[in-house]
Amino acid sequence: EVQLLESGGGLVQPGESLRLSCVASGFTFSSYAMTWVRQAPGKGLEWVAGLSNTGYTIHYADSVKGRFTISRDNSKNTLYLQMNSLRADDTAIYYCAKDVSWGQGTLVTVSP
Amino acid sequence: DIQMTQSPSTLSASVGDRVTISCRASQSISLWLAWYQQKPGKAPNLLIYKASTLQSGVPSRFSGSGAGTEFTLTISSLQPDDFATYYCLQYNSYSFYSFGQGTKVDIK
Repeated sequence: EVQLLESGGGLVQPGESLRLSCVASGFTFSSYAMTWVRQAPGKGLEWVAGLSNTGYTIHYADSVKGRFTISRDNSKNTLYLQMNSLRADDTAIYYCAKDVSWGQGTLVTVSP
Repeated sequence: DIQMTQSPSTLSASVGDRVTISCRASQSISLWLAWYQQKPGKAPNLLIYKASTLQSGVPSRFSGSGAGTEFTLTISSLQPDDFATYYCLQYNSYSFYSFGQGTKVDIK
């Protein structure tokens, strides 16, 4: 069974940084592309970033391009999202995903 | 980028009703379409993947159909536990997922 466990969320001020982690189990992590998705309070779902199984091919939503970095460590079965220059509109629950399987999410709040 | 158009945005229905929700893709996504149910304060729950495959543990009153650009989620007989918001997701490529805007199913 696919299991994805996100961590690293919290309350930060605008302009600060945060790194999210997602530990995967139940499948061969190094064989699959992975993504991050988010949902702002009371809003719909938004794809944030995705990367290939090797980590060499990466794509970002325009809303986070240049500020967020997605990466992975296949030796640790872990996906990361480094978030810099955070803004109030980055406030959301962040989910890591393998295809259609998601974790339970981690809350990021950006507020003065 | 592939855009998803989901309709309706709100649907009022009664227990026992047959309910259908539609999603249209701006270009063909083959069968790479999933449906999620979300209740307030909870993570989205996967119902259907690959357009019509029922996720394990999901009641059989839920079904999905379609291919290419037109997809439908059907609830054959709405139950009290089904009042929620539903989203479609196209996952044709990890390089860009896109979601429908959501359909809130509420009590008529």
